[in-house]
Amino acid sequence: KQEVTQIPAALSVPEGENLVLNCSFTDSAIYNLQWFRQDPGKGLTSLLLIQSSQREQTSGRLNASLDKSSGRSTLYIAASQPGDSATYLCAVRVGWYEKLTFGTGTRLTIIP
Amino acid sequence: DTEVTQTPKHLVMGMTNKKSLKCEQHMGHRAMYWYKQKAKKPPELMFVYSYEKLSINESVPSRFSPECPNSSLLNLHLHALQPEDSALYLCASSHNRARDNTEAFFGQGTRLTVV
Repeated sequence: KQEVTQIPAALSVPEGENLVLNCSFTDSAIYNLQWFRQDPGKGLTSLLLIQSSQREQTSGRLNASLDKSSGRSTLYIAASQPGDSATYLCAVRVGWYEKLTFGTGTRLTIIP
Repeated sequence: DTEVTQTPKHLVMGMTNKKSLKCEQHMGHRAMYWYKQKAKKPPELMFVYSYEKLSINESVPSRFSPECPNSSLLNLHLHALQPEDSALYLCASSHNRARDNTEAFFGQGTRLTVV
C-alpha cells in the first residue's frame, strides 16, 4: 500500500526566505506527482505536476524535484511572501484508475 | 478553462434530510472523483467515475449515493447522514488515461455540516 509522508507538518519562516518542503512515498512505481496548495476551508489548487520521467518542474518562484528511486520529492519556494501561507499537499498517482494518494500536508506560515 | 465548479459552497442539513452536492467541469475530462476531507487531514478518495460509469467505490456507506448523468456533471446524493459525516467534500476531474502527464483539477469544495 502506497504511503505518502510530508515533513515537517508545520513550518514558519520570515518573509523573503527560501524554503524547502519534503514529500516521501513508499512505492516508487508512480505515474506522476502533484503538488497542491490549500487555503483554510478551501479547495485544492494544483501548483506543479512532475511526470515520472522528469526530474524537476518549475513555475515562477516554485521548483519541484522528483527522485523516484529514493521515493522523494521536494518543493522549493524562493523569496517567500505572506501570500504563500497555506497548507501544501503532495499527491502521487498510482495505477491505471487515476487514484491520487495524498501526503499528510505541511502547514506553511510566512511571517511578515 | 481549468475550473471545476462545486455547488453549494456551504450546506447545513439535518440527519433526516436529503440533499445533493453538484460538480461541473468543461475540460473534456472523462474521469471524475469525490473526495472527503476532515479538518487537518488529507483528502480521502470516495468514488471514481470513468466514462460516466462508477469504477471505484472506496467502501463508502450507502447513505452517500454518487451519480454521473453526463460527462460534465457529477452529483453526490446525501441521505440520513450522521454528524461525523460533516467535512469538506471535494470534486476533482482529470483525463482518463494512464499517462504520466495527466493532471487532476479540484473544485473549491462544499463545506457540509450535519446537525
